[in-house]
Amino acid sequence: EAQVTQNPRYLITVTGKKLTVTCSQNMNHEYMSWYRQDPGLGLRQIYYSMNVEVTDKGDVPEGYKVSRKEKRNFPLILESPSPNQTSLYFCASRSMLGSYEQYFGPGTRLTVT
Amino acid sequence: AQTVTQSQPEMSVQEAETVTLSCTYDTSESNYYLFWYKQPPSRQMILVIRQEAYKQQNATENRFSVNFQKAAKSFSLKISDSQLGDTAMYFCAFISYNNNDMRFGAGTRLTVKP
Repeated sequence: EAQVTQNPRYLITVTGKKLTVTCSQNMNHEYMSWYRQDPGLGLRQIYYSMNVEVTDKGDVPEGYKVSRKEKRNFPLILESPSPNQTSLYFCASRSMLGSYEQYFGPGTRLTVT
Repeated sequence: AQTVTQSQPEMSVQEAETVTLSCTYDTSESNYYLFWYKQPPSRQMILVIRQEAYKQQNATENRFSVNFQKAAKSFSLKISDSQLGDTAMYFCAFISYNNNDMRFGAGTRLTVKP
């Protein structure tokens, strides 16, 4: 089954404790991205990657890091989480050809206390 | 920069009735895609319908159809014969051929009442 997976689905952590949210896709997509969803703001892009070893900032990259060492994986790293990073996070992928439709993971609910 | 505006934070509709969700966008690009995504309580983002800007014909998918007005930069979603399972948050989204940043509106929360 074609899908994007994220782990963990839920995470409660404390300020300053480094964490990683994993993302993996099995559709051989070149493009992958991370979004955060906050009430009244919709989804905002954090980082994206157009291929292995190619990453770029989105609208809200501060406080986040990413890496793309393999085509299928695109982890999101919070080196020192803060309460303002409490949010719902989505990973997405798409082919660089065709309809630009993005396929989304199931979301990760992160709470930073 | 492209922006997407959904002016209706919440809407409700009776089961079996028709409802229209509004979306406007701002861009100087000529070639782009527009999407409507549905987010039910499960939080999964589900593609409802897409429209290519160069196509004049409005897209339809079963009970879902759009009214795409390119000159007015408007992209509304019509849901016919509303069902309880249509209860969800709906997001309008835009992406241009020249950009890799999909822009989303703030969302419209739709409730279908029995």
